[in-house]
Amino acid sequence: AQSVAQPEDQVNVAEGNPLTVKCTYSVSGNPYLFWYVQYPNRGLQFLLKYITGDNLVKGSYGFEAEFNKSQTSFHLKKPSALVSDSALYFCAVRDGTGGYNKLIFGAGTRLAVHP
Amino acid sequence: NAGVMQNPRHLVRRRGQEARLRCSPMKGHSHVYWYRQLPEEGLKFMVYLQKENIIDESGMPKERFSAEFPKEGPSILRIQQVVRGDSAAYFCASSPPGTAVLYEQYFGPGTRLTVT
Repeated sequence: AQSVAQPEDQVNVAEGNPLTVKCTYSVSGNPYLFWYVQYPNRGLQFLLKYITGDNLVKGSYGFEAEFNKSQTSFHLKKPSALVSDSALYFCAVRDGTGGYNKLIFGAGTRLAVHP
Repeated sequence: NAGVMQNPRHLVRRRGQEARLRCSPMKGHSHVYWYRQLPEEGLKFMVYLQKENIIDESGMPKERFSAEFPKEGPSILRIQQVVRGDSAAYFCASSPPGTAVLYEQYFGPGTRLTVT
């Protein structure tokens, strides 16, 4: 069965420092991977996705993610964190082989960026 | 272009009542997904619909829950005889027509259901 894991409940980083939010996955077949961000009492906002192509995917708000097939990872990164990046981040993987994106989400990682 | 709209944003129901949650997808989108988020957890897939068709309802509880996406109007998630365990945030997402697997989903702000 497809699954995704976010091993850290919370990540703390100082403003201006690089940040990494980790995600590992388990799928049969080629993975379709996504990152979403959730601000308090809001819906999820799409950041980026990997379907095929370059292993380094660039997304919204300066975020990027690196797909690593051998390590089955899809870590989210940003070179310089902002206080406004503080939010809940979800990694997701497509489940199944149907022609649609039924997503399985990780439990989420809370990012706290300190001034 | 308005995003995905959900209403109500907050809904309080007593045990045994019915809850109706509405979702209007983005303009031009014909694919709708419903997810449920329990407190401090990730989102769990419930159902995927296209206009007038339920494609995948593998995440829906077998009883009390139903969903529809009529030809005209919003998608509706209906929960009959609510229980306290139904208290959660319910999110709707939509994506464009065509090869749905290529497109990310756009999420609405959610409906927070509280069962007292």
